[in-house]
Order: sequence, then structure tokens, then C-alpha cells
Amino acid sequence: NAGVTQTPKFQVLKTGQSMTLQCAQDMNHNSMYWYRQDPGMGLRLIYYSASEGTTDKGEVPNGYNVSRLNKREFSLRLESAAPSQTSVYFCASGRGQPQHFGDGTRLSIL
Amino acid sequence: DQQVKQNSPSLSVQEGRISILNCDYTNSMFDYFLWYKKYPAEGPTFLISISSIKDKNEDGRFTVFLNKSAKHLSLHIVPSQPGDSAVYFCAASAPDKLVFGAGTILRVKS
Repeated sequence: NAGVTQTPKFQVLKTGQSMTLQCAQDMNHNSMYWYRQDPGMGLRLIYYSASEGTTDKGEVPNGYNVSRLNKREFSLRLESAAPSQTSVYFCASGRGQPQHFGDGTRLSIL
Repeated sequence: DQQVKQNSPSLSVQEGRISILNCDYTNSMFDYFLWYKKYPAEGPTFLISISSIKDKNEDGRFTVFLNKSAKHLSLHIVPSQPGDSAVYFCAASAPDKLVFGAGTILRVKS
């Protein structure tokens, strides 16, 4: 059972570079989510998609874009990476609660 | 403005004793609460939840208590085991989204 799969696991970028984080789930969930985790701040919602074809902003959407490619896949794009976007990014999916999380992408921006 | 607060960044407990992790929230519209457990380099995994219409939910060694009037919930782990050492996140559900606390690091000493 793969559950929620995120790629890549690690990435280092230079300021201004672009990057797409990939997420796929095999649990047939309608809703998918992107979070970032920073020290002392828990997980904060960046964007979510309640169903295929819809996306909505979360708490910290600035600097990010998302695409719900199909029911399985939800990608997060950084168009012009900034050092403040250094974080661990988690994708999650769910049908209601609880949400199920991937193992994260550790992103460093120099 | 943090809507979900975990005021203890860390907690250390002896193996076999009780661990009590606390969480406070401010938004009375939250109707469902969850606890997640997170090991290093892994995603959060769902542990236990409680609906706002209940005041207690038990699952094996884990019990969650909800005090709506105080806007407070707690997670009790009895008996604590070394494998319980992890970061514990409290989360509150606002219809299809979760709001997370900053987490509490639990260390169970053998």
C-alpha cells in the first residue's frame, strides 16, 4: 500500500529557481492538501483541493501555485524560490477526516 | 493568531508511567479534533480523534479527553513506551481543513 507518495524527498534550489513538488495518492480520496512544516509552527496549510478540478488557498498560499492534475495527483509549484520557502512540505489526502500524509519533501533554498 | 496551541514544546516521561499532552483552541466552530504522531523523516500518522459531541474517546493505551467549555483537549498515553517517543500534533477540523498546533516532543525514558 503506497498511500500518499511524494517526490522528490530532498531538493536544494538557488534563489529564483523554479520547482514542482509531486504528490500522488492511491486511496481514491477526493480531497488533497499541501502543508509546510517549520520549526515551532506546526503544519500550515498552503493550498487544498476538495475535488478534482477545484483548488483553494489555505493559510500561507503566497509564492505557490497548485495543479490538481486528476483525482490521484496534486502538484505544488514554486515559480521563483525564496529562502523563506525553505521548509519541509507535506502532501495529504482524505475523504473527510483523518487526512493521510506522505513522508514529505525537504526543500532548501540558498 | 494561533487557533490551536500546544504550550509544552517537550515532555519527558519514564517508561510505564502516564504521558499527558495538552492542547488548547480558540475557535468554538471547531467540531472535530485529532492527534497525530510524527517520527523523524516520516509524515504525521493519525493516532486518535474525538467529535465535539463527546468528552472522551479511548483506543487501547490512548485516550483523548475534550473539555468544550474550557476549549481544551488532552491525550493520555498509559502506559508509556519508548516507541511512543515522537512529536505529537493536535489538530482541529474546520469543515474540510485542519488547523494544527506546533507540536509537543515526547521522550519516553527506559
